Amino acid sequence: GQQVMQIPQYQHVQEGEDFTTYCNSSTTLSNIQWYKQRPGGHPVFLIQLVKSGEVKKQKRLTFQFGEAKKNSSLHITATQTTDVGTYFCARRDGRNFGNEKLTFGTGTRLTIIP
Amino acid sequence: GAVVSQHPSRVICKSGTSVKIECRSLDFQATTMFWYRQFPKQSLMLMATSNEGSKATYEQGVEKDKFLINHASLTLSTLTVTSAHPEDSSFYICSARAGHPGSPEETQYFGPGTRLLVL
Repeated sequence: GQQVMQIPQYQHVQEGEDFTTYCNSSTTLSNIQWYKQRPGGHPVFLIQLVKSGEVKKQKRLTFQFGEAKKNSSLHITATQTTDVGTYFCARRDGRNFGNEKLTFGTGTRLTIIP
Repeated sequence: GAVVSQHPSRVICKSGTSVKIECRSLDFQATTMFWYRQFPKQSLMLMATSNEGSKATYEQGVEKDKFLINHASLTLSTLTVTSAHPEDSSFYICSARAGHPGSPEETQYFGPGTRLLVL
């Protein structure tokens, strides 16, 4: 399947500032997942969105799924140094046993200036 | 959350040799595991889907004879990079699927990855 595009590719923010990354698809998504990968680490699952217009919060993180289910965003309020890493969205393809797979977005690398 | 391990974490080998990477689900059974490759500052690219007891499904452009996958049990999948060359140097990450396929609870848990350097 087509790769999911993310913007921006890089983001440098002062500690305490907000951060947002956007995930866009040319086709309708059945779901969208978000992962965080720390430098030198592996992706860690954050959340999955399934419903049109869905908004979910995890402390300072707010995840949103677009009404048309073609885009999604991750917003971090008041960034901290622990938020450093690359944030990936990923769509899960297939609903039948054995053919599900994740297609990862291009990622947004967040760096924090203390 | 579920734990997935990979071994080795790092490997350096000479060009032409083969390298085996193990992926284990430690506290759950995984009928499906996935193998990804990630080059520096790039996204994860799926290489193949490994199903227990059957042949792996490879993504377009991935040579199945070069990247041998064996999913012999519900907790172990192995990736063997045969006749490795410097361009195979990369970060190889496996993941194991937990939860009922297609359900909202379905999640992939990633291993810590294996950094391969081929000299």
